[in-house]
Amino acid sequence: NAGVTQTPKFRILKIGQSMTLQCTQDMNHNYMYWYRQDPGMGLKLIYYSVGAGITDKGEVPNGYNVSRSTTEDFPLRLELAAPSQTSVYFCASSWGQDGSYEQYFGPGTRLTVT
Amino acid sequence: AQSVTQLGSHVSVSEGALVLLRCNYSSSVPPYLFWYVQYPNQGLQLLLKYTTGATLVKGINGFEAEFKKSETSFHLTKPSAHMSDAAEYFCAVSSSGYSTLTFGKGTMLLVSP
Repeated sequence: NAGVTQTPKFRILKIGQSMTLQCTQDMNHNYMYWYRQDPGMGLKLIYYSVGAGITDKGEVPNGYNVSRSTTEDFPLRLELAAPSQTSVYFCASSWGQDGSYEQYFGPGTRLTVT
Repeated sequence: AQSVTQLGSHVSVSEGALVLLRCNYSSSVPPYLFWYVQYPNQGLQLLLKYTTGATLVKGINGFEAEFKKSETSFHLTKPSAHMSDAAEYFCAVSSSGYSTLTFGKGTMLLVSP
């Protein structure tokens, strides 16, 4: 049981390039989330999904897109990368729609845009 | 709307000393409260959570937290700090009907020998 896995671990992008951050979970969780973490700012929710085919915006969705075609996978797409998207990105998953459920986090992707 | 305030971006303690990390929340409905820990270059893992019932919650690694509704607080404590406790700690809030968490900005715990 690998939990939540993310690839790549590190990436350097040039301004204007695009990329996809991959996230997979093997716990059969319906709910999946993408966060970004900036120093001293905590975690900010980018997008989340309540099941295959259903996604919704979080607090900071601008510049990002997501899709959820399967229960296991929740990729995050960056189009036209900007320096402001330099951050550490975490994917997470959880069981249920009630907020009492624990979220399980992946190890993160460290992205630098120059 | 929900929000979390963690007092102190950095807390320093000596090994063996009491650890106290402060968390205050704002929520218009009964909250669910969480503490997560993040070790360097890793993801977050759950320390403990409060949903309903007993207000004193025990977690992993000897940590505990007490939900105080009147003070809108959920402070994290550990009687005796260990070097391995050095990490960043995040308080988070959710509630029934919400599937998302709102995180505080985090508190870095530094433990000196």
